[in-house]
Formats: sequence, structure tokens, C-alpha cells
Amino acid sequence: DTGVSQDPRHKITKRGQNVTFRCDPISEHNRLYWYRQTLGQGPEFLTYFQNEAQLEKSRLLSDRFSAERPKGSFSTLEIQRTEQGDSAMYLCASSLGGSNNEQFFGPGTRLTVL
Amino acid sequence: GQNIDQPTEMTATEGAIVQINCTYQTSGFNGLFWYQQHAGEAPTFLSYNVLDGLEEKGRFSSFLSRSKGYSYLLLKELQMKDSASYLCAVMGNYGQNFVFGPGTRLSVLP
Repeated sequence: DTGVSQDPRHKITKRGQNVTFRCDPISEHNRLYWYRQTLGQGPEFLTYFQNEAQLEKSRLLSDRFSAERPKGSFSTLEIQRTEQGDSAMYLCASSLGGSNNEQFFGPGTRLTVL
Repeated sequence: GQNIDQPTEMTATEGAIVQINCTYQTSGFNGLFWYQQHAGEAPTFLSYNVLDGLEEKGRFSSFLSRSKGYSYLLLKELQMKDSASYLCAVMGNYGQNFVFGPGTRLSVLP
């Protein structure tokens, strides 16, 4: 499968715990995005990487959220001290870059914080 | 700030034509995208407009007017499988961030 993959697909955790999600983009894509989506809403931009550089981070992203893309390939999104309001679908997308801005989305990680 | 508006829900009949509108106000503009999202699945790309005018792709067409901050997605010969949410997204001015609208949930009835 050469699409965007995410792991895990589902995560249930207790409030206060830390969670980490992984995204593997399409191999030749140098741009990687993280989004959060709640039921009935469009995806909400969280952060964006160009290769290994994190170029933009949403003002909505609290200090409990951090993302990395250490080698410019896969990326991780960590949420510390989870809160019930963090429950959502976390989507990763990648794009080739340059003049090609089409984003390909992964299947998402559904987080439930109890 | 950035704001994107779409109707929340629309209903149409199989075989008909439906137009889904999107209006946007963004601090910059580097293109407008339409995505389709079936319930429980990830969004899939439909179209991209960066210049004014109509882009046609099979049963789907997308129109853009940058001066009016307006776009629409036109779906022809509707099929039951077209029942989904349709997301309008704008690439803004700061880096390559995307702002998505709330989505329009389209129900196609027999």
C-alpha cells in the first residue's frame, strides 16, 4: 500500500495520560500536515512540515501538543496530559510540494479520552 | 482571520444536478480545494482552483471567483454513492496551511 498510513487507528486513554500517534506519508512527499476533526466539522489545521522543518503551528495548538518529523519521513504527534476535549479524529495528510498542493489523507487515528 | 462558509446540509435526487456553494474570507489566497468525505473515512481530493473560472472533471466541476471570495462545486448525474460531506478548503497566505470549511452533508435520495 503506497498511501498515507497512520497508527494506531483507535486509541482509548484516561484523562491525564500521554498519547503518541504516528503518520507515514507517501514516500516521495515532502509536505506533511496534521489535522483534528470532530463530528460534523471540517478538519482543523494543527501543524505542517516541509521535510523535517515544522513551518507552521496553529495558534489553537496548546503546549500539550507537540509534533516531530525527525528525518523528513514519518511524523509523530504527541498529546500530553490528555483532556476529554482532546477526543477527536486526528488526520495526517501529505503532498508532493512545489506547485502540486493536492493533499492525500491517511485513515486517521480516533482518540477517545475517558 | 480566516472564515469559510458552506451550507450545512443539502438534499437532492438521484440523477439530478446539485450546486454546493462556498464563500471565504482569508488573509491570503493560494488556491481553493474541494474534498469529499464519506462518513467514518478520510477526505479524498476532488478539485483545485487557483485561477478564476470553471474546472471540469467528469461529473464534477468547480468554479472560482477570487474577487467575490466564492466557489461552488457542481455535481451532475447524481448517484447514491455521492451521499457524503463535501469540504471546501483554502490554502492561505502563511506558509502552506489549509483552512477547511465545516463541510456540506449531501444526501442523495432515490
